[in-house]
Amino acid sequence: NAGVTQTPKFQVLKTGQSMTLQCAQDMNHEYMSWYRQDPGMGLRLIHYSVGAGITDQGEVPNGYNVSRSTTEDFPLRLLSAAPSQTSVYFCASSYGPSGYTFGSGTRLTVV
Amino acid sequence: GNSVTQMEGPVTLSEEAFLTINCTYTATGYPSLFWYVQYPGEGLQLLLKATKADDKGSNKGFEATYRKETTSFHLEKGSVQVSDSAVYFCAFETDSWGKLQFGAGTQVVVTP
Repeated sequence: NAGVTQTPKFQVLKTGQSMTLQCAQDMNHEYMSWYRQDPGMGLRLIHYSVGAGITDQGEVPNGYNVSRSTTEDFPLRLLSAAPSQTSVYFCASSYGPSGYTFGSGTRLTVV
Repeated sequence: GNSVTQMEGPVTLSEEAFLTINCTYTATGYPSLFWYVQYPGEGLQLLLKATKADDKGSNKGFEATYRKETTSFHLEKGSVQVSDSAVYFCAFETDSWGKLQFGAGTQVVVTP
């Protein structure tokens, strides 16, 4: 019963480096999404996907790329990390209006 | 545009006190409404949900009623425990599935 698995749990990057945050779900959910959590701001949607091959931008997409080649995986790419991207990142999956399952998060620090 | 407003924290209570966290939303149509809870160092867990007007969601002693006329979804618990200390997020599903709009979160601290 893995649910939504995010890796890594912690990461420190230098400004300008790139990296990929991994997200995988084993529930055959159609919908997957990425959020970032910052103090006092709740969670804000970065990108989301309604199925394999289909992605769209959320509220704060700049500096991030996504792709959805399979139903299970939805990686988030940081192209050139900036200190403003220091945050906790959560991946979620859902099927219809039944509620969302969240991963345990990735805490990213950009120095 | 879409938004969720919830009361600011931290809310500090004694054990067995009554808890209310206010949440109001601005959205088109009739979205599904959720409360999520985040315990220290963990991810978000669904606490309860309501999908249509006048629905009451409940779980673990928490309740919230979908009030269309006031666009509200206030969270309540009659007697809190120390283990209820967490951050609580109000959220709704926007105009299409797959996207959630969150409030800023309310930290609740329950003391023995």
